[in-house]
Formats: sequence, structure tokens, C-alpha cells
Amino acid sequence: GEDVEQSLFLSVREGDSSVINCTYTDSSSTYLYWYKQEPGAGLQLLTYIFSNMDMKQDQRLTVLLNKKDKHLSLRIADTQTGDSAIYFCADQQGTGRRALTFGSGTRLQVQP
Amino acid sequence: DTGVSQDPRHKITKRGQNVTFRCDPISEHNRLYWYRQTLGQGPEFLTYFQNEAQLEKSRLLSDRFSAERPKGSFSTLEIQRTEQGDSAMYLCASSPDYLADTQYFGPGTRLTVL
Repeated sequence: GEDVEQSLFLSVREGDSSVINCTYTDSSSTYLYWYKQEPGAGLQLLTYIFSNMDMKQDQRLTVLLNKKDKHLSLRIADTQTGDSAIYFCADQQGTGRRALTFGSGTRLQVQP
Repeated sequence: DTGVSQDPRHKITKRGQNVTFRCDPISEHNRLYWYRQTLGQGPEFLTYFQNEAQLEKSRLLSDRFSAERPKGSFSTLEIQRTEQGDSAMYLCASSPDYLADTQYFGPGTRLTVL
């Protein structure tokens, strides 16, 4: 079945850039998403990218997609302590299904 | 718009009891989803409604689980004869009828089965 994988943990210093990586297996994925989850809270949609795009920029966030390698990354510029959270990538199949398949999440720790 | 709301936020029940959760989506969002999230994992899809029609169900949705969206607005998720393995966060999301499923999540209902 389809699978989405992420590294478990990333630690950066405040002001540095953070890069969170994700790989997926479903070649029919149409859209890929990034969500943020703070402790005890629901998921906040950060951004998404259509599968025929290579890059999307949204303020401090840059999403890069390498469809050939099925690799997705989220870069956060000028990382702040408020960015500390768990980040999930998710993909949506291109077969008409609406369900999202999520990775296990990457915990980002930002040190002052 | 206040976003997706869920009620209750926390539920503690004894094994074998039935529980029901409610989700109110963002108004005018036609699509509504239920997911389950266990500790240390990403959300797992349970079911999806387009208006009042239930169009997708995961194999995770055993016959003890039932979801409804009778008027195409709020939805309920019922778990009958709860088991300890049902302990999880149950998340609801809604999205508008666009090509990209930009799903907006509620705060979740945390279920603990003793």
C-alpha cells in the first residue's frame, strides 16, 4: 500500500533555516500537503503543492517537490521558537480518493 | 468563521460502553472527514462525506463504528462496545469543494477507554 515517511526529529537554533524531509511511494499522488501540530491541538494546514509543480513559496515557507524521487521537503526560513511543533506531510492519491495519507511526523525543536 | 469544532474535547469511558462524538464543519464546506490519531503517529483516515453521502470508508472502520451526516452539516461518529484499543484522538476535518482537498482540522476528541 501507499506509504509516507519522515525523519522523527530535527533540532535547529533560532534564526536558522529548518528543512523537513518526506518521501512517499504513491506515484499517482496529485497534491501533497504540510501540516503543523502543536501539543494537544489539531492539525493546522500550512501549505500544499500540486504534483506538476517543483516549488512553491509562501512567506517563510518553501516547498520543494522532486516527483522523480518522490521526495518532498519543507524549508522554514528564520525559524522561531514558535515554530516548535510536529510537522506532518500528507499525500492524496490521484485515483479520485479524498483520504489523505500522513507520515508519522517530524518533531521540530527550536533552541533559543 | 470559527473553524471546525468538535464535542466533547475529552471522553473517558469504560470498556463496552458506547460513545458518540460530534463535529461541526466550517460552514459551506461540503466535504467532511474523520481521522484517528494514536500517540506518536500521524492521523489515519476513517471515513469521508460529500454533503450527506458517505463516499469512502477505511477498513479501519470496523462494524462497531458508524458515522452519519444526516443533513449535510454536522456529523456524528459512534463507537459501540468500546475496546481499549479504541483509545485515541478522533479528528474531524472539512474542506470546500475544490480540486485540492485543503482539509481544515478541528481540535479533536481525545477518547480514553478504561
